[in-house]
Amino acid sequence: KAGVTQTPRYLIKTRGQQVTLSCSPISGHRSVSWYQQTPGQGLQFLFEYFSETQRNKGNFPGRFSGRQFSNSRSEMNVSTLELGDSALYLCASSLAEGSWRGYTFGSGTRLTVV
Amino acid sequence: AQSVTQLDSQVPVFEEAPVELRCNYSSSVSVYLFWYVQYPNQGLQLLLKYLSGSTLVKGINGFEAEFNKSQTSFHLRKPSVHISDTAEYFCAVSEVTREGTALIFGKGTTLSVSS
Repeated sequence: KAGVTQTPRYLIKTRGQQVTLSCSPISGHRSVSWYQQTPGQGLQFLFEYFSETQRNKGNFPGRFSGRQFSNSRSEMNVSTLELGDSALYLCASSLAEGSWRGYTFGSGTRLTVV
Repeated sequence: AQSVTQLDSQVPVFEEAPVELRCNYSSSVSVYLFWYVQYPNQGLQLLLKYLSGSTLVKGINGFEAEFNKSQTSFHLRKPSVHISDTAEYFCAVSEVTREGTALIFGKGTTLSVSS
């Protein structure tokens, strides 16, 4: 079956712009989580969504937001981009909420802010 | 808050040699532990996980890990590595709080296998 699909794979944006990243989970998976990966900070948790509700949020500013749709697809949005937002953004899905289940990760969206 | 320490940032080994990637986590009553692998320009792939039961966990690609509660460790091992095992490896712990759950990752260990 198809894995976790993230679009686009690569993105270049200018400081001050906003960006929307998309994630389609594995069919039947209802939980979607987002992580930011940077060389300096490593992998950091952004959000977890289940049944269209945000279940948990990491320590990121309010410029980072997300949502989940009724078909479990998820989007995250970053407004007023800063250079430090350049990162690989990874989406992960699981059957139900709860990080102890382990996740299946997508290949990520590489965002470069110039 | 939970934390994970991967003790080696880089581990160079020769092909067919054994390898151990070390991981320590902060103590907790219940702990769920994971090892993920990341190949260049790809996402994370789950190698193995410990939820409960046997402290020796076997995963994919010949990897195994041993959960040691007294030493709060979850080291990853492979008896004989291949060139194709060159990748970055991440140890993670599941954190459960009133606000929800998340995976807390270590900084990663780069395994470089050469011939």
